[in-house]
Amino acid sequence: DAKTTQPPSMDCAEGRAANLPCNHSTISGNEYVYWYRQIHSQGPQYIIHGLKNNETNEMASLIITEDRKSSTLILPHATLRDTAVYYCIVRFNAGGTSYGKLTFGQGTILTVHP
Amino acid sequence: GAVVSQHPSWVICKSGTSVKIECRSLDFQATTMFWYRQFPKQSLMLMATSNEGSKATYEQGVEKDKFLINHASLTLSTLTVTSAHPEDSSFYICSASRAGGQPDTQYFGPGTRLTVL
Repeated sequence: DAKTTQPPSMDCAEGRAANLPCNHSTISGNEYVYWYRQIHSQGPQYIIHGLKNNETNEMASLIITEDRKSSTLILPHATLRDTAVYYCIVRFNAGGTSYGKLTFGQGTILTVHP
Repeated sequence: GAVVSQHPSWVICKSGTSVKIECRSLDFQATTMFWYRQFPKQSLMLMATSNEGSKATYEQGVEKDKFLINHASLTLSTLTVTSAHPEDSSFYICSASRAGGQPDTQYFGPGTRLTVL
């Protein structure tokens, strides 16, 4: 799986958009970009994933650059409850022994302040 | 939808005892469940992958005789920490992927905090 690079921490004001970047310059054509987050002392939560096109759901938007070497997770109106560690994971499910194996890096600690 | 529960949410036990943690998918069938461990200020580490009706696959360095995993049904997997020691104290989290869905879209339980005295 391609390696990802995320800033260790970011701040965001409540009500503003939070834009979390992720670099994955070695991504291959069949690898998906996944985003999860983990609020303190809770299990991670799936947010969104995409392959090439931008994606949006009720939680967030995912913008993937045309060359797919980087992506941005956008929380359009951050709230205090969005304070969490955000993980960007690049995955290709090849089946077999790598089936479903998510590798969590250090992620980005997003702090939303009033 | 896609809710995963864990029980208990926390447990304190004496060294040498065994502890069982349950992971249930409440509103979907999960052919595959995953068990992770997280130490303070560290990221999640995958321990093992379990498929319904078959033996679990353990990650390198995880003792299969110490961490017994059973996945007897499409909605339940259990992790038993046998002869627990203080170094096993950690946050244990399970996840499940939907049958027929993308395996990398996983739904996580709230975690179980184990403290071994």
